[in-house]
Amino acid sequence: EAAVTQSPRSKVAVTGGKVTLSCHQTNNHDYMYWYRQDTGHGLRLIHYSYVADSTEKGDIPDGYKASRPSQENFSLILELASLSQTAVYFCASSGTANSDYTFGSGTRLLVI
Amino acid sequence: QQKVQQSPESLIVPEGGMASLNCTSSDRNVDYFWWYRQHSGKSPKMLMSIFSNGEKEEGRFTVHLNKASLHTSLHIRDSQPSDSALYLCAASSPITGNTGKLIFGLGTTLQVQP
Repeated sequence: EAAVTQSPRSKVAVTGGKVTLSCHQTNNHDYMYWYRQDTGHGLRLIHYSYVADSTEKGDIPDGYKASRPSQENFSLILELASLSQTAVYFCASSGTANSDYTFGSGTRLLVI
Repeated sequence: QQKVQQSPESLIVPEGGMASLNCTSSDRNVDYFWWYRQHSGKSPKMLMSIFSNGEKEEGRFTVHLNKASLHTSLHIRDSQPSDSALYLCAASSPITGNTGKLIFGLGTTLQVQP
């Protein structure tokens, strides 16, 4: 069954440390996205990609980097984690733009 | 200011009742709306999408769209306790090109009381 799989499911990171969140999709989708969800802010787009080896900035890219080494894999990197980056992170994929959006199960990140 | 605004913030309806949720975009370029449902601790799942004026029905769910006012509404009839969740409205604009970017509202929390 086609799916979007995120790892880890949850993580505790220390301030200033490096964090890598991974996402793998078997939907054969070209588009992949990273969103964060916070109470009071809803879902906000961090980075996205429409082709391997290329990433684009979303609406809140500061403090985050992204990597798309293949069509199936999309990573979100926090080089220097900060308290304000505590949130739930969702990866998603879609076919042609805006179609068949599928979200992963999320990664709950706590920065202490 | 949120470009996609949802109301009410929370809603309680009795089991078997009708739930009505609203969503408006302040971005005149928006041309497509989605409704997602997110149960507690889970990921958002798409319920319905709409881009034409009028109404679209799927089972107990009906979506309306008024493109002139950029207002969409979701109506759930015969509400069930399993419908209790956060309902998210999302919009997209052709001005963003083929990026697949969705702008989400903050959501409406629906509670269906048995």
